[in-house]
Amino acid sequence: ETGVTQSPTHLIKTRGQQVTLRCSSQSGHNTVSWYQQALGQGPQFIFQYYREEENGRGNFPPRFSGLQFPNYSSELNVNALELDDSALYLCASRRQEEYEQYFGPGTRLTVT
Amino acid sequence: QKEVEQDPGPLSVPEGAIVSLNCTYSNSAFQYFMWYRQYSRKGPELLMYTYSSGNKEDGRFTAQVDKSSKYISLFIRDSQPSDSATYLCAMRGETGTYKYIFGTGTRLKVLA
Repeated sequence: ETGVTQSPTHLIKTRGQQVTLRCSSQSGHNTVSWYQQALGQGPQFIFQYYREEENGRGNFPPRFSGLQFPNYSSELNVNALELDDSALYLCASRRQEEYEQYFGPGTRLTVT
Repeated sequence: QKEVEQDPGPLSVPEGAIVSLNCTYSNSAFQYFMWYRQYSRKGPELLMYTYSSGNKEDGRFTAQVDKSSKYISLFIRDSQPSDSATYLCAMRGETGTYKYIFGTGTRLKVLA
């Protein structure tokens, strides 16, 4: 069974730029969530995708957007990057009818 | 007041000790409870998950939920240096909700 994978591992961007992060869900999982984890904090929920539609969103501005593809993989896009966007971005997947979710290794984004 | 409170530690114990990690929460709607282990700069790894109140045991790990007190615990028996990590609690309401709320994590160090 293949676990959750994310790419890239690390990324350095400049303030104002745009970034796209990618996630492949675990085999058999149809629901993908994205989280932002600042240093020393727990993961903060950004949004969730199911059947290629966003069906839940946390307290993040619209410049955080996403996509889910027919194979359940997903992208997180962040526009107009700010310094505070520097964090570990985590993708988690699960089956919609189950509650236990599994995380990928994360993408560490640094905004300078 | 945060929905989920978790002592950030750090907690240092000698090898072989029994470790008790705890979270308190304020939202009585939470029904699903999870514990994750996160090594430095890595994604969280699901350790235990429980529904509603009660105990669940898996090897050296025991998860307890006391919904009347809004209190959950993770016990680690015969702790090992490899258990040194940050432990995150997470919880969620009933089916149909998407928002998982995480604690800030407790840093654990097991000394050889």
